[in-house]
Amino acid sequence: LAKTTQPPSMEAYEGQEVNVSCSHTNIATSEYIYWYRQVPHQGPQFIIQGYKDYVVNEVASLFISADRKLSTLSLPWVSLRDAAVYYCIVTDRGQGGRALIFGTGTTVSVSP
Amino acid sequence: EAAVTQSPRNKVTVTGGNVTLSCRQTNSHNYMYWYRQDTGHGLRLIHYSYGAGNLQIGDVPDGYKATRTTQEDFFLLLELASPSQTSLYFCASSDEGASYEQYFGPGTRLTVL
Repeated sequence: LAKTTQPPSMEAYEGQEVNVSCSHTNIATSEYIYWYRQVPHQGPQFIIQGYKDYVVNEVASLFISADRKLSTLSLPWVSLRDAAVYYCIVTDRGQGGRALIFGTGTTVSVSP
Repeated sequence: EAAVTQSPRNKVTVTGGNVTLSCRQTNSHNYMYWYRQDTGHGLRLIHYSYGAGNLQIGDVPDGYKATRTTQEDFFLLLELASPSQTSLYFCASSDEGASYEQYFGPGTRLTVL
């Protein structure tokens, strides 16, 4: 499983766009990129997943570089509720359920 | 909406004590997982299962047993609890569908004195 590297922390103000980067230089062709977030006193929650190019849903967007070694999670118009730890995970989706390897993530702080 | 519940939400025991953490999912998912979360380590996988009666060893299995009695229920057993097992425990479930999204429970905080 490919290892990921994220910045340990980021700060933003409400209403700003936040971009969280994730490096996965050894990503395999069979691996996908997942993002989860965890707010205090709750379990992680799935945000978005992708394989290449650009993915968008109602919560966030995900940009994946052409060589797939770097991905960026974009959170538009953050609010105080977006303050959380964001985890980038790379794993092989092709063989059914597979345990996720969580690193220490990126702690995003949001100020009013 | 997927549903994973855990009980108890908080548990205090003493060294050498016997503890069982319970997890139930009502998503009809085949896969269930037990993680522990400690400051500075993120989440680490203890055990997981892909169906009733099945058990797979995770990354930090020492001191833990697990049992999957039904598709819905997955238990984590600490037969001789130690202070090093003081942690926040999360259960999760997932199916074999295309999204492979894991749904997490609210967590159980265990303190071993």
